[in-house]
Amino acid sequence: GAGVSQSPSNKVTEKGKDVELRCDPISGHTALYWYRQSLGQGLEFLIYFQGNSAPDKSGLPSDRFSAERTGGSVSTLTIQRTQQEDSAVYLCASSLNIRDTQYFGPGTRLTVL
Amino acid sequence: AQKVTQAQTEISVVEKEDVTLDCVYETRDTTYYLFWYKQPPSGELVFLIRRNSFDEQNEISGRYSWNFQKSTSSFNFTITASQVVDSAVYFCAFGSARQLTFGSGTQLTVLP
Repeated sequence: GAGVSQSPSNKVTEKGKDVELRCDPISGHTALYWYRQSLGQGLEFLIYFQGNSAPDKSGLPSDRFSAERTGGSVSTLTIQRTQQEDSAVYLCASSLNIRDTQYFGPGTRLTVL
Repeated sequence: AQKVTQAQTEISVVEKEDVTLDCVYETRDTTYYLFWYKQPPSGELVFLIRRNSFDEQNEISGRYSWNFQKSTSSFNFTITASQVVDSAVYFCAFGSARQLTFGSGTQLTVLP
């Protein structure tokens, strides 16, 4: 079956602009996660959604970052007023339920000029 | 808080050699899960294996094998008879309730 998909695969933006990154989880997976992979910080957890529960936002680095998940499926990660330090690969993962294995998408490479 | 340490930043071997990637974790949780993921040059994280904290059986899958020892908080990964296609970054990860905590990764290069 289809895996996790993310779009766009690459995004180049100017400092100060807002960006939206999209994630389509595996069909039937109730849990969805966003991670960030950057050279200096490795792989960091950002936010997690499980069903209709309130998301766990404990990993978001600043209030410029937000995410939503519509209809329990597709998720959008929004970064407002982008900064150069936001440049990274943003990875989305989904799992059947919490504590189940997470499967990752191909990522979105964000470059902030 | 959990912590995962992959002390080997880079490893280089010649094809057909065996190689072991080390992973040590720290936690106070009694129930947890350990994972290995592979990240080839294409960038996508590929799931390799998951072990539950209550199951210390070692596992073998083809050329891959995993040694989980709770007594030393280690979850090491061995590739037997390595191949060039095994070249990638390998991440060990710890999971308890929700998110994964990743190690810093080991870059494995297999030379022909």
